[in-house]
Amino acid sequence: GIQVEQSPPDLILQEGANSTLRCNFSDSVNNLQWFHQNPWGQLINLFYIPSGTKQNGRLSATTVATERYSLLYISSSQTTDSGVYFCAAPSTSGTYKYIFGTGTRLKVLA
Amino acid sequence: NAGVTQTPKFQVLKTGQSMTLQCAQDMNHNSMYWYRQDPGMGLRLIYYSASEGTTDKGEVPNGYNVSRLNKREFSLRLESAAPSQTSVYFCASSVRLGSQETQYFGPGTRLLVL
Repeated sequence: GIQVEQSPPDLILQEGANSTLRCNFSDSVNNLQWFHQNPWGQLINLFYIPSGTKQNGRLSATTVATERYSLLYISSSQTTDSGVYFCAAPSTSGTYKYIFGTGTRLKVLA
Repeated sequence: NAGVTQTPKFQVLKTGQSMTLQCAQDMNHNSMYWYRQDPGMGLRLIYYSASEGTTDKGEVPNGYNVSRLNKREFSLRLESAAPSQTSVYFCASSVRLGSQETQYFGPGTRLLVL
């Protein structure tokens, strides 16, 4: 099955800074999702992005499927962006067995 | 519209005890999932149900059973709890349109097995 790796594992930013989080996957995917887990543990889906680029406010994501990676961009970071960011993909294309990366823990300082 | 709800929020068990974690969704989603999250790790899939009446094993199914009671409800049962099952358990639901799928998560159940 697929392997999903994220980098960096930890990131500390000053409020207002920009950041890029990376997700590498070992096999081709037709489904790639990004999630944010806030400091209270709640998981929120950010993007469904198997290829191309999407934007939602200060967040955007790009997946280059041919090179097997996805990037999550956070611009003008705010303290509310703190938490853990996960990417996930199906272990085998078309299945429901999602494999999550181990996450990037982001702390934004005021 | 409550989304995905889970009960209980927190539970302490002794080794060998059994319990059932409940999950319900009101979004009319076909697919439901149970994950566990251990400290410093991502989520690992325990079981999933692609549609009402079907269930299948995920990455870490040993020691668990599930029931897809109806379209709304998907329960996870620990028959004989072990300390290794201490974790935070998340239920999720999704609707799939072609290959596009968005998962919605419940608030989690924190389980401690002594």
